[in-house]
Amino acid sequence: GENVEQHPSTLSVQEGDSAVIKCTYSDSASNYFPWYKQELGKGPQLIIDIRSNVGEKKDQRIAVTLNKTAKHFSLHITETQPEDSAVYFCAASEVNDMRFGAGTRLTVKP
Amino acid sequence: NAGVTQTPKFQVLKTGQSMTLQCAQDMNHNSMYWYRQDPGMGLRLIYYSASEGTTDKGEVPNGYNVSRLNKREFSLRLESAAPSQTSVYFCASKGTGGNNQPQHFGDGTRLSIL
Repeated sequence: GENVEQHPSTLSVQEGDSAVIKCTYSDSASNYFPWYKQELGKGPQLIIDIRSNVGEKKDQRIAVTLNKTAKHFSLHITETQPEDSAVYFCAASEVNDMRFGAGTRLTVKP
Repeated sequence: NAGVTQTPKFQVLKTGQSMTLQCAQDMNHNSMYWYRQDPGMGLRLIYYSASEGTTDKGEVPNGYNVSRLNKREFSLRLESAAPSQTSVYFCASKGTGGNNQPQHFGDGTRLSIL
């Protein structure tokens, strides 16, 4: 089955700096790669996703890149704000088999 | 618009007790999922239901059973709870349109087994 690795496990940045979270996956059949943000006491919320026929996608301060050859994808957050502090999960999906990374706890210091 | 609703939000059980976690979605989604979330391990799939009337095992199904009661509701049952099942349980649903659709999550049930 699919195996997703996510790095780093914790990330601390100053407000206004950029944050980058990286994930690798093992199954070349995976073709959908969502990113979720989880705040304390809440369920994961989708923030951006990318499909295998696209190399990059951007939504305001958030962007995701995908390298299918190398089997890795990354989340980029620019101009970070304190409200970006949360746990972020990457995932790789094929049909009904979505595997998640272990998560990155992002702290944005004011 | 409630999305995915899970009940209860918190529960404490003794070892050997049974319990059913409830999940309902109001988005007319075909697929529903149950995950458990443990520290440092992300979310792991327990069972899923690709459509009403079908259920399949996920990555960690042992000790659990599920029922897809109708299109809206998908329940998870622990027949004889064990301390290793202490976790946060999340239900999710996904619409039609193939694999390339996001899953929508509820806010979880925090379950402690003593």
